[in-house]
Amino acid sequence: QVTLKESGPALVKPTQTLTLTCTFSGFSLSTSGMRVSWIRQPPGKALEWLARIDWDDDKFYSTSLKTRLTISKDTSKNQVVLTMTNMDPVDTATYYCARIGPGYYGMDVWGQGTTVTVSS
Amino acid sequence: QSALTQPASVSGSPGQSITISCTGTSSDVGGYNYVSWYQQHPGKAPKLMIYDVSNRPSGVSNRFSGSKSGNTASLTISGLQAEDEADYYCSSYTSSSTGVFGTGTKVTVL
Repeated sequence: QVTLKESGPALVKPTQTLTLTCTFSGFSLSTSGMRVSWIRQPPGKALEWLARIDWDDDKFYSTSLKTRLTISKDTSKNQVVLTMTNMDPVDTATYYCARIGPGYYGMDVWGQGTTVTVSS
Repeated sequence: QSALTQPASVSGSPGQSITISCTGTSSDVGGYNYVSWYQQHPGKAPKLMIYDVSNRPSGVSNRFSGSKSGNTASLTISGLQAEDEADYYCSSYTSSSTGVFGTGTKVTVL
């Protein structure tokens, strides 16, 4: 069974750096074609694609957030980490990680999401 | 990367069919057969309903179907049921090798 779970602080202050961890099971990110993406959703708003890391360690970022995001993986721990610098209240959202399996392009398994509030 | 354009809302009566459009550009929807659709109920994580334009994951009802023409993809729900009431999002691979989501559509079952 494939599962993913996001973890991180529920509250961060403006200008701080947010670090989120996606811990997964049931698959290996070293398997050819496997990918993990991060997505966020502000309250009452649409989904926004943030970043993706592939099995071969290729990394891709949202054009508008590229300068603030870093994605990395620890294959031995089955974890993907996303950091976002210079947090602002507009970054308040539920953050999700999701898997894209090999051979197709759809996020087939999602974590439950973790809510992050940016406030002083 | 601009969000893909979806209608804000679509409604239908039980048993009817509805179609949700998702309009992008030749750099995303029109350029690749990598469009996916997600259903999201309030307070829940999104669920994959269609991948690679028209493929259904195992366990998804065959009442859901996807298609694409040019820069516009579509999701059709036939035999509309009360449980289909939710928000729906399209997503596409892009020429930058990134992803992009649609603006979202609220489906109401009358």
